[in-house]
Parts: sequence; C-alpha cells; structure tokens
Amino acid sequence: GAGVSQTPSNKVTEKGKYVELRCDPISGHTALYWYRQSLGQGPEFLIYFQGTGAADDSGLPNDRFFAVRPEGSVSTLKIQRTERGDSAVYLCASSLNPGDNEQFFGPGTRLTVL
Amino acid sequence: QKEVEQDPGPLSVPEGAIVSLNCTYSNSAFQYFMWYRQYSRKGPELLMYTYSSGNKEDGRFTAQVDKSSKYISLFIRDSQPSDSATYLCAMSANSNYQLIWGAGTKLIIKP
Repeated sequence: GAGVSQTPSNKVTEKGKYVELRCDPISGHTALYWYRQSLGQGPEFLIYFQGTGAADDSGLPNDRFFAVRPEGSVSTLKIQRTERGDSAVYLCASSLNPGDNEQFFGPGTRLTVL
Repeated sequence: QKEVEQDPGPLSVPEGAIVSLNCTYSNSAFQYFMWYRQYSRKGPELLMYTYSSGNKEDGRFTAQVDKSSKYISLFIRDSQPSDSATYLCAMSANSNYQLIWGAGTKLIIKP
C-alpha cells in the first residue's frame, strides 16, 4: 500500500518568504507528526496531531511555524518569514493510533532558505 | 550534554562481518527504545523496538538494552552492502510520541 508522501521533495526559497509543506499520511492513520532533521542530526519533534487537532505543538521553535490538519488526513506545515536557519529536511510521520511507538515516515521535504 | 549520545561514524566493515552500533543516554526514565535505519534522502524506517531491558532478535538483527548502564546496542549479523545506511537510536519515557533521537551512525558495508 501507499506510504507517507510529502510534497514538494525539494523547496528553495529566499529569506523572508512564506512556504507550505504538505504531508499525506497513510490512509486510516489517526496520528500525524512533524519533525525537522538538520544535517548530521536525528529528527527533532515539532508537532503532533490526533485527528484534526494539534495534541502537542511544544516542539515548534517559534510563532513563524504553524501546522494544520483540517480534515484529519492531509497536513500542511507553514513557515512564515523564513530564515536561513530554517534550512533542514522536514519529515512527516503517521501512526495508526495515537501513542503508537511505530511511526511511519515520509521521505521528507528538503527546505533551503537562501 | 545531549540526552542521547551516538557516535556519528562512519563505521566501515567488510561484508559478512558482525556490526555493533551503540547509544548511551542519561534519562533513567526512558523505557521504550527503538532503532531506525535511514537511507540517503529517505525517511527513517523502524527496525527494532524494545521495551525496558533485555534482548530482542529479528532475523539478522539483535537489539540489547542495559538500563543499569543506560546503554543500548544493535547487532547486525552477516552484514550486507544493502545494510549501508545511517542507523538512529530513539527512545521515550512512556508510550507516547516524543521520541528523543541520537544523531545517527553512518554504516558502510564494503563488498
């Protein structure tokens, strides 16, 4: 079956611009997670959705970052006024049930802020 | 000091060798321990999941957890070139989503 997909695979933008990153989780998975992975580092938790609501957004670094999941399936991570330090791979994962330790990851979106 | 420490490598071994990958951690509350494999330009993929202390075996892979030493290991037997990837450990204090990750060890299996 289809895994987690993310679009675009690569995004290059200029400092100060707004970007949206999309995640399509595995069908039927109720939990969705966003992570950020910098080069040579493990993923860093950003936000976790149970259904449509953000159950925990404590990992979002500041108010320039926002994520939505309006219908409990597809999610969009939004970054305003991008900074060079936002450059990283943004990973999305989903799990069948909230709290499952097995998370299935997408291939990520590589964001480069010039 | 990071909560989870992992040698970044690279670790290069010949095909067929036994590989040992390790992580140390500082938080004694961690109970759930995972090993993920990540190929270049791909997302992490769960390999092994262990609760509390002990060993778990799955095919060529064995995961060990020593909570008294705050040390976890992943062993790969009969290593193959296709095992070449970055291996990340991850752990959590309870069955929730907030995994704490190591930085990953890059493994190279030479044919």
